[in-house]
Amino acid sequence: DSGVTQTPKHLITATGQRVTLRCSPRSGDLSVYWYQQSLDQGLQFLIQYYNGEERAKGNILERFSAQQFPDLHSELNLSSLELGDSALYFCASATRNSPLHFGNGTRLTVT
Amino acid sequence: QQQVKQSPQSLIVQKGGISIINCAYENTAFDYFPWYQQFPGKGPALLIAIRPDVSEKKEGRFTISFNKSAKQFSLHIMDSQPGDSATYFCAATGSGNTGKLIFGQGTTLQVKP
Repeated sequence: DSGVTQTPKHLITATGQRVTLRCSPRSGDLSVYWYQQSLDQGLQFLIQYYNGEERAKGNILERFSAQQFPDLHSELNLSSLELGDSALYFCASATRNSPLHFGNGTRLTVT
Repeated sequence: QQQVKQSPQSLIVQKGGISIINCAYENTAFDYFPWYQQFPGKGPALLIAIRPDVSEKKEGRFTISFNKSAKQFSLHIMDSQPGDSATYFCAATGSGNTGKLIFGQGTTLQVKP
């Protein structure tokens, strides 16, 4: 068990809808990272937050946004969903320059 | 320049054999190269990592070989076991941020009993 908790495990929604994915990092980890895993694109870095502030941005669509709250949990918001957004979304946490610890992901299916 | 190319896509090895997965990169600024192991339904888990100041790192049955001049690194799994059957990802980063990783496409390893 990595200590990173993601909810929900599965999410099925329709195109055009908006969903929120939640992540609780390991105790003591200030950084939260979001990754998307799909068959065609593989594992791609989306965005990082450190102690509530956005720290780095990757291939994140404008329809997607994230935030990290004072208790360090993070949410990834996906809006105007398209079929191509169906993927596994992983949250990972770390302390400064320590290895990443991944959660078990949220599987999003857009129908 | 930001890609990490991984091969093979899939690999079948007999129990007790050596599994070898290769990765290549272009960006000479990369300075951290981890390998992750992922089982179905689980998130990736760090297996072993190397920095370019060493050419080899060994942890148990897992060894990373690193060739800086060729911009290649590989994972060797010695005495492969059925429990090693998983998907393996190489990754790299050079931003000083060890969490902002560029991943290879993954290798699905099957170890036959």
